[in-house]
Amino acid sequence: DGGITQSPKYLFRKEGQNVTLSCEQNLNHDAMYWYRQDPGQGLRLIYYSQIVNDFQKGDIAEGYSVSREKKESFPLTVTSAQKNPTAFYLCASSKAVGTYEQYFGPGTRLTVT
Amino acid sequence: AQSVSQHNHHVILSEAASLELGCNYSYGGTVNLFWYVQYPGQHLQLLLKYFSGDPLVKGIKGFEAEFIKSKFSFNLRKPSVQWSDTAEYFCAVNGARAGTALIFGKGTTLSVSS
Repeated sequence: DGGITQSPKYLFRKEGQNVTLSCEQNLNHDAMYWYRQDPGQGLRLIYYSQIVNDFQKGDIAEGYSVSREKKESFPLTVTSAQKNPTAFYLCASSKAVGTYEQYFGPGTRLTVT
Repeated sequence: AQSVSQHNHHVILSEAASLELGCNYSYGGTVNLFWYVQYPGQHLQLLLKYFSGDPLVKGIKGFEAEFIKSKFSFNLRKPSVQWSDTAEYFCAVNGARAGTALIFGKGTTLSVSS
């Protein structure tokens, strides 16, 4: 059953702690993305990766970091430098960046207190 | 700067009413256009897309959208909505050349009453 998995569904952390969100895809897609979804803000691009060992900053990369060591995996670390980390985080993938549909995971809701 | 504007934040309709959700974009060059939908508790999924050709595109569940290049618009329409269309709808755009990521609008919440 092909798709994108994100874990966990809900995540709670204390302020000042780094936290890593998992994203795995078995669609054999080259491109992967991380978005942040806040009410009334739509989806804002944090980072994207066109290929293994390569990634680009999106519109709101400050306070986040990513890695792309394997084609299937694109973890996102929310660092303590991110001023408003509480949000819904969505991972997506596509065959390549550009003229291709993006497929989305179920999301992780992160709450930082 | 590239951007996508969705004019309606929240639309409330009765079943069988017609729907039109506005989407305008600001983007230099040739574009690809998308509408995504997020039903309550479900993944974001593609409703329809426009890459080239016929500017009137049809998607799933009876939705369609028209690309009007001169107006930089890609409005979503459905002649008769159902209660099950209650969802959040996102318009998105990217450049047609390789390597450009999607830019999303802020979304429109559609509430359909039965």
